[in-house]
Amino acid sequence: NAGVTQTPKFQVLKTGQSMTLQCAQDMNHEYMSWYRQDPGMGLRLIHYSVGAGITDQGEVPNGYNVSRSTTEDFPLRLLSAAPSQTSVYFCASRERGYTEAFFGQGTRLTVV
Amino acid sequence: AQSVTQLGSHVSVSEGALVLLRCNYSSSVPPYLFWYVQYPNQGLQLLLKYTSAATLVKGINGFEAEFKKSETSFHLTKPSAHMRDAAEYFCAVSAANQAGTALIFGKGTTLSVSS
Repeated sequence: NAGVTQTPKFQVLKTGQSMTLQCAQDMNHEYMSWYRQDPGMGLRLIHYSVGAGITDQGEVPNGYNVSRSTTEDFPLRLLSAAPSQTSVYFCASRERGYTEAFFGQGTRLTVV
Repeated sequence: AQSVTQLGSHVSVSEGALVLLRCNYSSSVPPYLFWYVQYPNQGLQLLLKYTSAATLVKGINGFEAEFKKSETSFHLTKPSAHMRDAAEYFCAVSAANQAGTALIFGKGTTLSVSS
């Protein structure tokens, strides 16, 4: 049982480049979300989804796009990378209701 | 909107000492509360959760937390610290009337354990 799988684990981008962080879950969870983790800031919510075709913005959405075409996948797109987007990114999924979130192992992104 | 405040970004204890990590929440409706642990270079792992069934919640690795509505608190404790408990701990909230939203996290507390 894989749970939540994120790829890649590490990535270095140049300023202005675009890329997609992949997230897939095999637990048939309806809810998925993306967070970024920065020192002293905890986890901040970027975007979330409550089902296929439904997404919404979190606390820090600027510079990021998401889409949810299937229950399993929730990719995060960086349109034009900036050094301020250097961070560790976590994807999470939850069942419907007041349940805990399951996390991937993270993607460490550096923008130079 | 709901929010979580973790008091103390760094807590240091000796091995065998009591661990107390503080979390206060803000929510206009009954909250659902969680504690997660993150070991270096890893993802987040659930320690325990409060979902209104019982105010004292027991979790993994000997941790427990008590929900106190009057104090809007959900502090995490462990009677005797081990070296392996050194990690970062996060408190999170999911408000009862916003099941469609993701969890909202505090800024985290780093626990150091010395021998």
